[in-house]
Amino acid sequence: GENVEQHPSTLSVQEGDSAVIKCTYSDSASNYFPWYKQELGKRPQLIIDIRSNVGEKKDQRIAVTLNKTAKHFSLHITETQPEDSAVYFCAASRPQTLGGSYIPTFGRGTSLIVHP
Amino acid sequence: ETGVTQTPRHLVMGMTNKKSLKCEQHLGHNAMYWYKQSAKKPLELMFVYSLEERVENNSVPSRFSPECPNSSHLFLHLHTLQPEDSALYLCASSQDGIKGLNYGYTFGSGTRLTVV
Repeated sequence: GENVEQHPSTLSVQEGDSAVIKCTYSDSASNYFPWYKQELGKRPQLIIDIRSNVGEKKDQRIAVTLNKTAKHFSLHITETQPEDSAVYFCAASRPQTLGGSYIPTFGRGTSLIVHP
Repeated sequence: ETGVTQTPRHLVMGMTNKKSLKCEQHLGHNAMYWYKQSAKKPLELMFVYSLEERVENNSVPSRFSPECPNSSHLFLHLHTLQPEDSALYLCASSQDGIKGLNYGYTFGSGTRLTVV
């Protein structure tokens, strides 16, 4: 099965700095890579995703890059703000026939702390 | 709310009790999921209902029993739980299988379960 490794487990930055979270995956057939943000006491929310036919995707201060050859993808947050403090989860999924649903494998999460 | 509503938000139950968690989605999605989130562990998939088929993680104990009466409602029936079952239980929905693409999840806010 798929195995997703996420690093670092904790990341502490100063406001205004950039933050990078990295994930590796094992299944070369994985083709969809979402990122979720979970603030303390709240639900995980999809913040950005990328498909395997694209190498990079940006949305304002966040971006995701994908290296299919190396099987790793990264989340980049620029000009970090205190409200970016949260746990971030990466995931990888492949087309599969489990009832027609595409079950992702999640990373263990990165706790990002942005100091004012 | 996000379109995925979970009740109750908090639940304290004894090991001999029977209770049910409820999830409802108003997004027209065709797949619903139960996840368990424990501290310092990855999100653990428990059950999937997709296109009216059920898929389950074989490691989930039989004291957890899902029910999906229609594509908008999902229940998790609990009985004779153990203290180690205390966790955040998250419901999610997605729209999968359309044109062979997979999409991200919309999570509910979760039920914080404490077993005493």
